[in-house]
Amino acid sequence: ILNVEQSPQSLHVQEGDSTNFTCSFPSSNFYALHWYRWETAKSPEALFVMTLNGDEKKKGRISATLNTKEGYSYLYIKGSQPEDSATYLCASTTSGTYKYIFGTGTRLKVLA
Amino acid sequence: DAGVTQSPTHLIKTRGQQVTLRCSPKSGHDTVSWYQQALGQGPQFIFQYYEEEERQRGNFPDRFSGHQFPNYSSELNVNALLLGDSALYLCASSPLGVTGYTFGSGTRLTVV
Repeated sequence: ILNVEQSPQSLHVQEGDSTNFTCSFPSSNFYALHWYRWETAKSPEALFVMTLNGDEKKKGRISATLNTKEGYSYLYIKGSQPEDSATYLCASTTSGTYKYIFGTGTRLKVLA
Repeated sequence: DAGVTQSPTHLIKTRGQQVTLRCSPKSGHDTVSWYQQALGQGPQFIFQYYEEEERQRGNFPDRFSGHQFPNYSSELNVNALLLGDSALYLCASSPLGVTGYTFGSGTRLTVV
């Protein structure tokens, strides 16, 4: 994998459902993986920064895992709420560079 | 505590014109990065400034230039605008040595 890829591109879930998204990234020279939550007309908001293989982070109902050997991260939302509706972006950074490589995002819509 | 401030929020320019976008970083942040997000794509790295110098540049033509001032604020200049420069331009700041950006809400540039 040369780029950061996210799936699915978009999804609709019912309030109360749990859901998860995938971020695939280049595993060579990996440095960090970032998850952002971006609501329409607002700034992207940092959710997690993960660096170590096997890392798991949690923030309320949202959690994320990281596998640097195979180059993927999962973001989980438990008991989705309408306020979780947003685009979820992931970005990877590699050693020796300052730039973030972003995926195209997963657009989540939670239906009340 | 104000986060990252970008101005203007929207602007419309004509092909061939020049534009300057401005960014004030979050208090305590000395590094500023600029990203371009075209429709349907993830943010693409333009460049990063630290200590008033361009530290790294992405795959953008020389028409894109920038500047960082002693107070850490930054400008992005684009010359000879093309229709394809229409995009959301995001500014992100961070403290040196700390991974993880704080983003502004962006400037929406439309070139007609």
